[in-house]
Amino acid sequence: GDSVTQMEGPVTLSEEAFLTINCTYTATGYPSLFWYVQYPGEGLQLLLKATKADDKGSNKGFEATYRKETTSFHLEKGSVQVSDSAVYFCALSLPDKLSFGAGTTVTVRA
Amino acid sequence: DAGVIQSPRHEVTEMGQEVTLRCKPISGHNSLFWYRQTMMRGLELLIYFNNNVPIDDSGMPEDRFSAKMPNASFSTLKIQPSEPRDSAVYFCASSLTGRGNYGYTFGSGTRLTVV
Repeated sequence: GDSVTQMEGPVTLSEEAFLTINCTYTATGYPSLFWYVQYPGEGLQLLLKATKADDKGSNKGFEATYRKETTSFHLEKGSVQVSDSAVYFCALSLPDKLSFGAGTTVTVRA
Repeated sequence: DAGVIQSPRHEVTEMGQEVTLRCKPISGHNSLFWYRQTMMRGLELLIYFNNNVPIDDSGMPEDRFSAKMPNASFSTLKIQPSEPRDSAVYFCASSLTGRGNYGYTFGSGTRLTVV
């Protein structure tokens, strides 16, 4: 069935480093794609989304481009901060619900 | 809007006791989802409702778990009797139309500890 696969963590970076979290999807149709972020002790928050091929979602310095040719939606940020430490989830829209990836834990050290 | 509101934030109970978790979705949203999150199993969808009707409860682990949505502004997840392995963070989320295109809004979760 339709699903997403994201890179396993944990990922540990230094401040101002470049972050990439890979996400690939399998889908029979044309789903919307999402990145959610979960900060410690909180629920998941929508970080960004893209609804069709070649769309770029962006928010808080994060970007992801919906690539139909590679079935990917990789999350990137050019210069991370300690406050970006969180768990990041890739998700894909099914007709009536979202399918989430397993989550990638990112730790940014000062 | 105050967002999705869950109560209580923390619950500690003894094995065998009944536990009821509550959720108030965003006004106007017509789909509601209950998730469970643990270190071992990650984020699991337990059940979801569309227009107050349960659509898919295949993720409910056992008959000890039940969920209701008596109206558009309230849902409960009940565990009876509770067991230590039910310890987890339970999240409620709501969305508009039930289509993923609109994304979900999550509550802050209820951390359940069964001792």
